[in-house]
Amino acid sequence: TQLLEQSPQFLSIQEGENLTVYCNSSSVFSSLQWYRQEPGEGPVLLVTVVTGGEVKKLKRLTFQFGDARKDSSLHITAAQTGDTGLYLCAGAPDYGQNFVFGPGTRLSVLP
Amino acid sequence: EPEVTQTPSHQVTQMGQEVILRCVPISNHLYFYWYRQILGQKVEFLVSFYNNEISEKSEIFDDQFSVERPDGSNFTLKIRSTKLEDSAMYFCASTGLPTLSSYNSPLHFGNGTRLTVT
Repeated sequence: TQLLEQSPQFLSIQEGENLTVYCNSSSVFSSLQWYRQEPGEGPVLLVTVVTGGEVKKLKRLTFQFGDARKDSSLHITAAQTGDTGLYLCAGAPDYGQNFVFGPGTRLSVLP
Repeated sequence: EPEVTQTPSHQVTQMGQEVILRCVPISNHLYFYWYRQILGQKVEFLVSFYNNEISEKSEIFDDQFSVERPDGSNFTLKIRSTKLEDSAMYFCASTGLPTLSSYNSPLHFGNGTRLTVT
């Protein structure tokens, strides 16, 4: 069974601060995705990373896939209250479509 | 933008009863999934479905669970005899064909059905 770990589990910061959250595994994934989930809603895709070492930017969010395709990070610059939510990483194994989710990082950005 | 829709949004049932959770995936998608999320816990894979059959299932998806695509649009999850521990949010998701840049297409989730078993 391929497992994903995320850290930190909880993060509370002030608006304007920068933060990084991590997603780690001992397994290799063909692709890794980041989702954000708000209470009472399903996860919403933020980004997919595919190539080892890949960096993708989405406005203030920067995603990196590790060289070995076992880990990923999400960096948020100048956090805003609207960034509050549960950030989930999900990995797909080399073969097949089954996605494994990490437990998530619950981010709270305070005004 | 097309979306995955799930009904009902909330279902309350008594232990031992059968429930059917319904999903309408995005129309041109080919892969369909059920995930569940127990309150405060991680999103857990239940089952994937492709070409009118189960392609993969987890240990959670035991004989009490079944899935069906009864027509060209609906995708259902049936729990035959609910248990208290089945209480969770159940999410349906769908994906299209893999893209040129990725073997795995992103999951598009519905907003879930909150199942409460009393």
